[in-house]
Amino acid sequence: AQRVTQPEKLLSVFKGAPVELKCNYSYSGSPELFWYVQYSRQRLQLLLRHISRESIKGFTADLNKGETSFHLKKPFAQEEDSAMYYCALTRSNYQLIWGAGTKLIIKP
Amino acid sequence: GAGVSQSPRYKVAKRGQDVALRCDPISGHVSLFWYQQALGQGPEFLTYFQNEAQLDKSGLPSDRFFAERPEGSVSTLKIQRTQQEDSAVYLCASSLGQGRNTIYFGEGSWLTVV
Repeated sequence: AQRVTQPEKLLSVFKGAPVELKCNYSYSGSPELFWYVQYSRQRLQLLLRHISRESIKGFTADLNKGETSFHLKKPFAQEEDSAMYYCALTRSNYQLIWGAGTKLIIKP
Repeated sequence: GAGVSQSPRYKVAKRGQDVALRCDPISGHVSLFWYQQALGQGPEFLTYFQNEAQLDKSGLPSDRFFAERPEGSVSTLKIQRTQQEDSAVYLCASSLGQGRNTIYFGEGSWLTVV
């Protein structure tokens, strides 16, 4: 069965420290993976997608097919990074399967 | 440049009551999605429209749930005879096409069934 797992419900790090939000998936085929972010009192928005291989707001994520992971990383956390982060994959051309989310808190 | 708009933002319904949730997608967006998000969980797919055609309703949890998009723009998600387990945030999203187009989400409709 296709599944996305985010093992941490809550991650708290100090400002300036590195951040890694974990995402593991199970999928038969070639998935397309995404990270979405939801800042406080705002709507869900796309942060990055693996096919773009880009860095957004200092975040990067590398698809590791061997470990079936798509961890989100940032070398130096900023207070404005505090938010809910969701990992998701496309099951079809349109349907997204989501992890349960990780709440990231950046302590000053 | 309005984004996806949903109404009502908050709804409290008595068990057994019918509710209707409205979604106004971004103008010109062909694809429209409904997701259900329970507390502490990620969104779960409900249904997908391409223009007025409902191409996938496999995620609707029961026949009490019904969605329509009659003119290929505004969509309504209707829940009949609401039950407590229907309490969730209902998210609407739209995209210009399908496939790799970016999906834009509304702020959600928070439904509480008491």
